[in-house]
Amino acid sequence: SQKIEQNSEALNIQEGKTATLTCNYTNYSPAYLQWYRQDPGRGPVFLLLIRENEKEKRKERLKVTFDTTLKQSLFHITASQPADSATYLCALLMNTGFQKLVFGTGTRLLVSP
Amino acid sequence: DVKVTQSSRYLVKRTGEKVFLECVQDMDHENMFWYRQDPGLGLRLIYFSYDVKMKEKGDIPEGYSVSREKKERFSLILESASTNQTSMYLCASRTARDNYEQYFGPGTRLTVT
Repeated sequence: SQKIEQNSEALNIQEGKTATLTCNYTNYSPAYLQWYRQDPGRGPVFLLLIRENEKEKRKERLKVTFDTTLKQSLFHITASQPADSATYLCALLMNTGFQKLVFGTGTRLLVSP
Repeated sequence: DVKVTQSSRYLVKRTGEKVFLECVQDMDHENMFWYRQDPGLGLRLIYFSYDVKMKEKGDIPEGYSVSREKKERFSLILESASTNQTSMYLCASRTARDNYEQYFGPGTRLTVT
């Protein structure tokens, strides 16, 4: 089955720096890879989607890369702010049958002033 | 704005009780999902529905059932609640047409004592 790995340890960075989160997966390549943000006690919120034939996608201070050879996606937040502190989930949309999302366990980001 | 609402934010039930969790979306989405989220295990798919009256098992359906009598409403039923069903339950919906972005509800924190 598909396995998705995100760093379970929290990432602590200083305000203004770039945060980089990693998502690695095994087995076959997904059709899409998505990133979600989740605040404590709330449901995840969609941030970005990148397709298997795209290398990079940007949205404001966010950038996602997708390397299907390495089976890895990197999620970058530039000029990070304390308000960016949250858990970030990687999710893969499987390209077989009904297209379900498979989620990673998430990485907690803490941005200190 | 897409709205996915869940009937309760917090729920406390006793072992053996029948529990109903309700989810309603207002965007005419075809697909709806129920997940549970536990520390270290991430989001796991319980059941999903791709259309009215249609339902499919997810990865962990044991001990649960679902109902989708109307397009906007997807119910999760715990026939006989057990302590290992204590968890955060998240409902989500999405259109079947593009991007596969999922919209999540705020979650229900269920405690079974």
